[in-house]
Amino acid sequence: GEDVEQSLFLSVREGDSSVINCTYTDSSSTYLYWYKQEPGAGLQLLTYIFSNMDMKQDQRLTVLLNKKDKHLSLRIADTQTGDSAIYFCAESIPTGANNLFFGTGTRLTVIP
Amino acid sequence: ETGVTQSPTHLIKTRGQQVTLRCSSQSGHNTVSWYQQALGQGPQFIFQYYREEENGRGNFPPRFSGLQFPNYSSELNVNALELDDSALYLCASSSPGTGITDTQYFGPGTRLTVL
Repeated sequence: GEDVEQSLFLSVREGDSSVINCTYTDSSSTYLYWYKQEPGAGLQLLTYIFSNMDMKQDQRLTVLLNKKDKHLSLRIADTQTGDSAIYFCAESIPTGANNLFFGTGTRLTVIP
Repeated sequence: ETGVTQSPTHLIKTRGQQVTLRCSSQSGHNTVSWYQQALGQGPQFIFQYYREEENGRGNFPPRFSGLQFPNYSSELNVNALELDDSALYLCASSSPGTGITDTQYFGPGTRLTVL
């Protein structure tokens, strides 16, 4: 079955870069997503990458995909206190419903 | 463009009761997916509706049921509530076949507490 794993916690200092990692098991993933969840809120789509891409950059966000190792990472440059949240990676598998399989989330804490 | 909205925001029920949660999809989206997010966990897929028909289901018992209406809004119904049903219920809308991705956009969620 599908299994998406993330480390639970990450702390960085304001202005540093953050790197959040994710591993997944299903090689048939079509798209991989990063969502952000602030306390008491729903999920905000940050970015996504198609499975045949290696890298995608979007302003302060850089997504790296190593399909061979089934490893996905999200780098946030110049991390700000407003980036403190839980970050979820999710994979989309073409099972008909294209539902998302989520990791357990990484709680990012930015220290001023 | 109107985003995904959900109601109510919070709900408290007791074991054995029934609950209905509502979701309005983002303008132009015809597909609605429901997810359950237990405390400290990632969201888990419950089911998806496309053009008023169930289009896939996760590992949830039949007491979790849903509907989609002609305007693409949706309801999630849960019968015979159990304590473990306490969670944040998230609705996401998407529009398959638009060429980019079936990217799902989430609402703010309904926090259900079962006592």
